[in-house]
Amino acid sequence: SYVLTQPPSVSVAPGQTARITCGGNNIGSKSVHWYQQKPGQAPVLVVYDDSDRPSGIPERFSGSNSGNTATLTISRVEAGDEADYYCQVWDSSSDHFKVVFGGGTKLTVL
Amino acid sequence: QVTLKESGPVLVKPTETLTLTCTVSGFSLSNARMGVSWIRQPPGKALEWLAHIFSNDEKSYSTSLKSRLTISKDTSKSQVVLTMTNMDPVDTATYYCARAVYSSGWEFDYWGQGTLVTVSS
Repeated sequence: SYVLTQPPSVSVAPGQTARITCGGNNIGSKSVHWYQQKPGQAPVLVVYDDSDRPSGIPERFSGSNSGNTATLTISRVEAGDEADYYCQVWDSSSDHFKVVFGGGTKLTVL
Repeated sequence: QVTLKESGPVLVKPTETLTLTCTVSGFSLSNARMGVSWIRQPPGKALEWLAHIFSNDEKSYSTSLKSRLTISKDTSKSQVVLTMTNMDPVDTATYYCARAVYSSGWEFDYWGQGTLVTVSS
């Protein structure tokens, strides 16, 4: 089965840039989606199809995807960005479609 | 306005069957560009996808839980139902339903608030 690997934690100072990676075999051939989840809340889509932003998501959130790594970049990090972030793809390599989530990355704003 | 709302028991006993209902509004379960998944999250742990149903009634299940899961929908009632058999304490989690919409891929653009299910005798 397809596996997505994320670092457990990333720390960044306010105003700096945070980069959260999501590794997977040839992930560049798939559409990657990213979700932000704050404590006690449901996940929120922040980037879809590698690099598109839903309406209402700040331009500070961006994404890229190539080779075996997709990256969520958060520029000018704010305290309110502290949350868990998950990457997600649909895997159709085996029978049927399967949804795969990464293990999540806790972003800490120092 | 799109909303999804999960409902079901908050407490189930080991070996019992869990039945959860997701009631949606603001879109139709017959829309070809949309589907609904169930996703769960044990306390303090990561998201885990369980099952998905497409508008044409095609279904997909987590490989590891396939034998225990059944997903179905009633388009007229705007409801998606998940059953999970033989519940165990390790199944204690918040269960979410989420809408998947197709653009270049399928992303979950709307989520329910989630419902915490505890498995205990």
